[in-house]
Amino acid sequence: DAGVTQSPTHLIKTRGQQVTLRCSPKSGHDTVSWYQQALGQGPQFIFQYYEEEERQRGNFPDRFSGHQFPNYSSELNVNALWLGDSALYLCASSSSDRGYYEQYFGPGTRLTVT
Amino acid sequence: DQQVKQNSPSLSVQEGRISILNCDYTNSMFDYFLWYKKYPAEGPTFLISISSIKDKNEDGRFTVFLNKSAKHLSLHIVPSQPGDSAVYFCAASSGGSQGNLIFGKGTKLSVKP
Repeated sequence: DAGVTQSPTHLIKTRGQQVTLRCSPKSGHDTVSWYQQALGQGPQFIFQYYEEEERQRGNFPDRFSGHQFPNYSSELNVNALWLGDSALYLCASSSSDRGYYEQYFGPGTRLTVT
Repeated sequence: DQQVKQNSPSLSVQEGRISILNCDYTNSMFDYFLWYKKYPAEGPTFLISISSIKDKNEDGRFTVFLNKSAKHLSLHIVPSQPGDSAVYFCAASSGGSQGNLIFGKGTKLSVKP
């Protein structure tokens, strides 16, 4: 049973560019959440997708947007990259049937903005 | 304003002894708490959780205790093993948030042989 997968593993971008990160949820899960983890910090909630719609959003600017596809996979897009966007981006999936709380995380995408 | 606090950045324990990791929270609306373990270059791995209607939950070597009046929870690992060496994150959520997890900054546990 495949767990949560994310691509790419690492990414280097230049300030002002745009980036797209991808996530496939664990089998049987229908809800995808995205988190940003800066160095030395805990993961910080960006937003959550369910039924192809953004259901909840954390304290992140509109430069951060996402999408969920009919197969429950998801994308995170960040426009006009800042140096401060450099972080580990984590995708987590969960099942609406079994409660949203127990979220299973992928390995993350390490984004470096230069 | 940090709603979930892990005040100990690191903890060192001898193999076979008990590891106790602590977490404090400020939001009384939190009703579900989780512990995650994270190894370098991997995503956080779910360990154990507890609902606010309970004060203890046990799973093998891991036990989580919740003290609602003190807004405090702790994770006990007995006995500690070198493979437990990792960063441990405490996370909390409220029913209305539909799974938006609020994380602490983590505690790095080192278990020495």
